Amino acid sequence: GIQVEQSPPDLILQEGANSTLRCNFSDSVNNLQWFHQNPWGQLINLFYIPSGTKQNGRLSATTVATERYSLLYISSSQTTDSGVYFCAVQGMDSNYQLIWGAGTKLIIKP
Amino acid sequence: GAGVSQSPSNKVTEKGKDVELRCDPISGHTALYWYRQSLGQGLEFLIYFQGNSAPDKSGLPSDRFSAERTGGSVSTLTIQRTQQEDSAVYLCASSLGGENTEAFFGQGTRLTVV
Repeated sequence: GIQVEQSPPDLILQEGANSTLRCNFSDSVNNLQWFHQNPWGQLINLFYIPSGTKQNGRLSATTVATERYSLLYISSSQTTDSGVYFCAVQGMDSNYQLIWGAGTKLIIKP
Repeated sequence: GAGVSQSPSNKVTEKGKDVELRCDPISGHTALYWYRQSLGQGLEFLIYFQGNSAPDKSGLPSDRFSAERTGGSVSTLTIQRTQQEDSAVYLCASSLGGENTEAFFGQGTRLTVV
């Protein structure tokens, strides 16, 4: 089945810094989502981005489907950005199963 | 509703008791997922419902786990004879279904078995 790898596994930054999180996947996908799990456990949708580029405030994401990766950019990070960022993909051979990466744990220090 | 709603938010139960966890998906969403997340771990798929189709139960860890979805809306996850290893956060998600698989999650139910 499809494999999803996220990097880095952990990232510690000072407030105000920029960061790039990566999601690699091993096969073609129908769907790719980025989520932020905050310290209270809530999973928040960031982007639904099987291809192309999207921006939402300080966050943006780019998926290059032909090269099988997606990048999540966080600019001018704030302490509230702390948490775990998950990438989840839906393979071409599935009409609903989401395959999850292990996540990137981000800590933003004040 | 405006978002996926789960209840209760927290549940502490004694080992051996049965528990029921409820999920109310976003109105109009035909697809519903249950996941489990142990502390510090990723999401573990449990079960998937799509409309009136037979559910995909392939992720249920044992026959103590079961789930229903009544009327294509609210879903209940039941764990019988709870064990300490069942302690986790149980997350429910829904999506429109069909080609749109963008999933939206509830806040989860934190289950502690003592």
